[in-house]
Amino acid sequence: LAKTTQPISMDSYEGQEVNITCSHNNIATNDYITWYQQFPSQGPRFIIQGYKTKVTNEVASLFIPADRKSSTLSLPRVSLSDTAVYYCLVDSGSARQLTFGSGTQLTVLP
Amino acid sequence: DTGVSQDPRHKITKRGQNVTFRCDPISEHNRLYWYRQTLGQGPEFLTYFQNEAQLEKSRLLSDRFSAERPKGSFSTLEIQRTEQGDSAMYLCASSSLQGAANYEQYFGPGTRLTVT
Repeated sequence: LAKTTQPISMDSYEGQEVNITCSHNNIATNDYITWYQQFPSQGPRFIIQGYKTKVTNEVASLFIPADRKSSTLSLPRVSLSDTAVYYCLVDSGSARQLTFGSGTQLTVLP
Repeated sequence: DTGVSQDPRHKITKRGQNVTFRCDPISEHNRLYWYRQTLGQGPEFLTYFQNEAQLEKSRLLSDRFSAERPKGSFSTLEIQRTEQGDSAMYLCASSSLQGAANYEQYFGPGTRLTVT
């Protein structure tokens, strides 16, 4: 399994765009990049998934460069309620279990 | 609410006692997963069911742990002779064979176990 490295924590202010970068130097050809969000005392929640280039949904954007050795989760105009832990996962699309790292604690300040 | 539910939400038990947790997945989901999460860490995979068949078990799942999913609906996770190291949040997730791929799993709120 490709190992992921992401910052332990980040702070931001309300209304700003937040970019969280994840490194996955050993990503395999069949691997997808997936991001989950977790609030305290709740289970993780799927945010976005991509393979290459850019993916956008109603919540976030995911940027993946051509070499796919890193990816960046972009959260537009964050609010206090976006304070959570964000996990970057790299797994084969056929993997049954999810492999989480330690995640990035994002704190949005007023 | 038709999400994944878990019961109980909190459990305090004494070392050596047995505990059982229940998970009710989203009704049309045929895949069910159990994870364990300790403070400051991401969830760790324990086991996976497709319908009633337990198809994968992590090495984390010692012989004191057993999981079942009778009739392919709800699932139970039992821990026998609990140890203090079993203290953690136990998360259940479910997903569907159709639609989104395996990476989109729907998690329940978890059962927080404290072993004293």
